[in-house]
Parts: sequence; structure tokens; C-alpha cells
Amino acid sequence: QKEVEQNSGPLSVPEGAIASLNCTYSDRGSQSFFWYRQYSGKSPELIMFIYSNGDKEDGRFTAQLNKASQYVSLLIRDSQPSDSATYLCAVDAGNMLTFGGGTRLMVKP
Amino acid sequence: EAGVTQFPSHSVIEKGQTVTLRCDPISGHDNLYWYRRVMGKEIKFLLHFVKESKQDESGMPNNRFLAERTGGTYSTLKVQPAELEDSGVYFCASSQDWAGNTQYFGPGTRLTVL
Repeated sequence: QKEVEQNSGPLSVPEGAIASLNCTYSDRGSQSFFWYRQYSGKSPELIMFIYSNGDKEDGRFTAQLNKASQYVSLLIRDSQPSDSATYLCAVDAGNMLTFGGGTRLMVKP
Repeated sequence: EAGVTQFPSHSVIEKGQTVTLRCDPISGHDNLYWYRRVMGKEIKFLLHFVKESKQDESGMPNNRFLAERTGGTYSTLKVQPAELEDSGVYFCASSQDWAGNTQYFGPGTRLTVL
């Protein structure tokens, strides 16, 4: 079983819709969770982090954490074609990040 | 403020040759990390420096890989001799503190071993 799992996609949504990206993790002791966006050939760019159960909102992005169920999600409201990228879920494992394989999001105009 | 920079952006070498990758972290960040993504796989941790000291090198694949961080500033990752399976994208990241602190990534070095 992989430590951090994501559906590889592609997840295709129309422009203006809500994109929902999900991630599950195996280490119940994990405390910090990160969402990175990566455009093709570019570096992972941090877009959200969350430490506590519940929701955290930042502009069009909402991160949701449920430690009991060991999942993290990212909602993107009013999706734009520029949001098309690979979204990486990362879990802090003490002094390193453990990444999922990423979900490719395609927002169609 | 400059972000994490890496050099070179691309490197193509032949099997058996040596390659050295360089990373300059964000100024003031004591923590420096190396990660690697090979084709079709997720990004994997290689090692972590705190200043000039190796805090954790559990992700280093074998002794062909040598990382250094002189004076706690920039870091180099040397692969000697390179093998075909070393091909991938090598990312460097830095953070101010560790254990949950946000890591900022560089653009990566794409290494191709022929």
C-alpha cells in the first residue's frame, strides 16, 4: 500500500465548475498536509497547507482534512483553464515530505 | 526575494560519467532537501540538511550519490558513476524550520543518462 494515494486522473471539469481532488494517507501520526500545483516541466508550487481537522479556505481554494478517516481534499471553486495542472498531495513525515503521485486536472473552456 | 535555484536545468550524460547538481536555497533557510522524481513515479525524498549537517539521508539510493552542503549555504549532489536508472528530475527544496514547516521547491534539474 502506498503511503500517500491520489487518483492519477485526468480529472476533467468545465470552466466555472468546482474541482474536487482527493488524497488518502497511511501514517495516522501525520500532522501536516500540503497541496502543491505543478505545471508541466515546472517546480511544485505550494498552494495550501492544513494542520487541523476541518476546512481551510484561501480564495478559490479550500483544503479539507479528516484525520480520523485519513484523507485530505482540495476544492477549487470557479475552475479556470489556468488551473489545469497536476496537483500533488504531500504529507509531512517528520523531516521530509511524502508525496502522492498527483492528480492531473483539466479545466475545459 | 529570490526563490530556490538549481543548476543546470538539464543534463544529458552517458552511463558511467559523473554529474554534479547544484542547489541554492532561499536565503536564511537552514533546511535544505533533495528529492527525485523518476519517470512515472511520485516525488521521493533523498536527504535533508540542517545547515551543513546531514540530518537524514535515508532516501539516498546507494553510495553512488554524494551530497554536500559547504558552509551551510548551497548544496551539491554528485552522481558517480551515473547509471540509466538515475534518470529523472532532481528537485531541491528549502524551509526555514523543519517538522511541518513549508518547503519551497526549486525548478529541478532534469537528468538524462544514456
